[in-house]
Amino acid sequence: DAMVIQNPRYQVTQFGKPVTLSCSQTLNHNVMYWYQQKSSQAPKLLFHYYDKDFNNEADTPDNFQSRRPNTSFCFLDIRSPGLGDAAMYLCATSRDVGSPGETQYFGPGTRLLVL
Amino acid sequence: AQSVTQLDSQVPVFEEAPVELRCNYSSSVSVYLFWYVQYPNQGLQLLLKYLSGSTLVKGINGFEAEFNKSQTSFHLRKPSVHISDTAEYFCAVRETGGGNKLTFGTGTQLKVEL
Repeated sequence: DAMVIQNPRYQVTQFGKPVTLSCSQTLNHNVMYWYQQKSSQAPKLLFHYYDKDFNNEADTPDNFQSRRPNTSFCFLDIRSPGLGDAAMYLCATSRDVGSPGETQYFGPGTRLLVL
Repeated sequence: AQSVTQLDSQVPVFEEAPVELRCNYSSSVSVYLFWYVQYPNQGLQLLLKYLSGSTLVKGINGFEAEFNKSQTSFHLRKPSVHISDTAEYFCAVRETGGGNKLTFGTGTQLKVEL
């Protein structure tokens, strides 16, 4: 089945130690998104890639970076995680942007714990 | 900018009872509306969406939602819930003018009890 895969499902890191979260997709979609979801809060868009074009949300901290080496993979890098970065990180894909019926397909998420 | 309000953080309901999860939105432009469900330790799954046309939208798992433009609401309903419907439900909006950014509400935890 075509899907969005996130690894690992749980990630523990230390305060200030760089960490990378991984997302892959078999849907061959052009767009990949990263959301941050803190406990009891709404998912919040951090950034997205349209093909190789990176689109950062205005309020995304510089501590968060992303890479998309090819269509299938997208990575979220947190350069110096703080305690406030502990959250569920959701990856999503969509075929395109702007089409009325466009749907985003979500992966299962990676829960990040910062010690 | 748009915003989404889900007033009920938790909704307990008995199995086979009807349920309504409320969603209100605010936007200066036309929007598309979505409901997503998140089961424990899983990602978000699309339940249904309103793009245009009939204001009553039917989705998966027996859920439906009605778009009310005058009240800026998009409430989710199910006539008879099952234990397996226990999950977090998120309402989301996207502007019709372009882009693909979803703005989510804070979610409603539906707990179905025997």
